[in-house]
Amino acid sequence: AQSVTQLGSHVSVSEGALVLLRCNYSSSVPPYLFWYVQYPNQGLQLLLKYTTGATLVKGINGFEAEFKKSETSFHLTKPSAHMSDAAEYFCAVTYNYGQNFVFGPGTRLSVLP
Amino acid sequence: DSGVTQTPKHLITATGQRVTLRCSPRSGDLSVYWYQQSLDQGLQFLIQYYNGEERAKGNILERFSAQQFPDLHSELNLSSLELGDSALYFCASSVGLAEVEQFFGPGTRLTVL
Repeated sequence: AQSVTQLGSHVSVSEGALVLLRCNYSSSVPPYLFWYVQYPNQGLQLLLKYTTGATLVKGINGFEAEFKKSETSFHLTKPSAHMSDAAEYFCAVTYNYGQNFVFGPGTRLSVLP
Repeated sequence: DSGVTQTPKHLITATGQRVTLRCSPRSGDLSVYWYQQSLDQGLQFLIQYYNGEERAKGNILERFSAQQFPDLHSELNLSSLELGDSALYFCASSVGLAEVEQFFGPGTRLTVL
């Protein structure tokens, strides 16, 4: 069965510091990978996605992620954290176009002043 | 604003009752997905409809059912409610079956007392 793990349920960084949120998936076939962000009391918003092509994917709000097949990873990074980045981040995977997603447990990012 | 609307925003009911959650997809989207988000289970896919037909099923209980109407809005029916059904229920939509990007609504928070 598909599964997604996110190392660290809670990550704290200082404003201006590097953000690194980890995501690993279990797969024997190439996946489609996503990062979503959820602000308090809101739905999920797509940050970025990897389907095919370039393995370094750039998303909104300065985030990017790199698909590393050999490590089955899709870690999310941002060079400089901003207070407005504080939210819950979910990694998700699907193996069929338009079919059900499997979400990771989420990582809550806190940004300290 | 993703363009996906969900009503009601909050719902408080008692055990054993039945409720209906409503979702209107983005204009032009044919696929609707339902997800449940709870503290202990995380974000779980429930069911997908495409143009009125059920296309995929996830971890949906037999007490739960859904349908998609000719105008493409969808309803999720939850019956014989239990305390453990308290959760955020999200609806998402996508253009069609061959699209990987889903757009999420703001969610309905269900509290079962």
